[in-house]
Amino acid sequence: GAVVSQHPSWVICKSGTSVKIECRSLDFQATTMFWYRQFPKQSLMLMATSNEGSKATYEQGVEKDKFLINHASLTLSTLTVTSAHPEDSSFYICSARDLSGPNHQGVGETQYFGPGTRLLVL
Amino acid sequence: GQNIDQPTEMTATEGAIVQINCTYQTSGFNGLFWYQQHAGEAPTFLSYNVLDGLEEKGRFSSFLSRSKGYSYLLLKELQMKDSASYLCAVMDSNYQLIWGAGTKLIIKP
Repeated sequence: GAVVSQHPSWVICKSGTSVKIECRSLDFQATTMFWYRQFPKQSLMLMATSNEGSKATYEQGVEKDKFLINHASLTLSTLTVTSAHPEDSSFYICSARDLSGPNHQGVGETQYFGPGTRLLVL
Repeated sequence: GQNIDQPTEMTATEGAIVQINCTYQTSGFNGLFWYQQHAGEAPTFLSYNVLDGLEEKGRFSSFLSRSKGYSYLLLKELQMKDSASYLCAVMDSNYQLIWGAGTKLIIKP
């Protein structure tokens, strides 16, 4: 299956610093990538949809100036958490849409997830 | 509004069979996904259904009824490693995934 990598897997930083997380599709091109946040024992929360070559689409309540998304190529999207605070500590997961994925039932798409980045802001 | 419902937690015995149900109400439908998520890890893809019926993949099967807005994930011959959260997600008319809260499955020996 398609592989998505995410780097770094762990980040510990001081309050006020910025953190950049990279998401790469390794063996397919992803025109669309998604960024999720997941707090302990809660479901995934979509933060934004990242489209290659255009501005990201943010979900309601997500500050676009705080969570900067750049999708400069078909295989790379980055999420930068600017001026991170302790409440930003969470598990950040990216996923990429593989339009060539398993689809024997008809039109459909599969999202593949990166391994996630655990952010701890002190 | 859009809504995905699945049980919060289920318990089953090693070697047994368990069925995890998911009901949904979404604006449009472009398929239903099941993902497995072990604690502290990202979700991994299990199955995709867009037409009614049963899809079997080894020990795991997924069923869909679009008219009822209902799906289930069936796990057979349960193993301890199957202890995880199982997430149901529906792709709506905008091709966005709407996620359920997940069902935590506990397997006992």
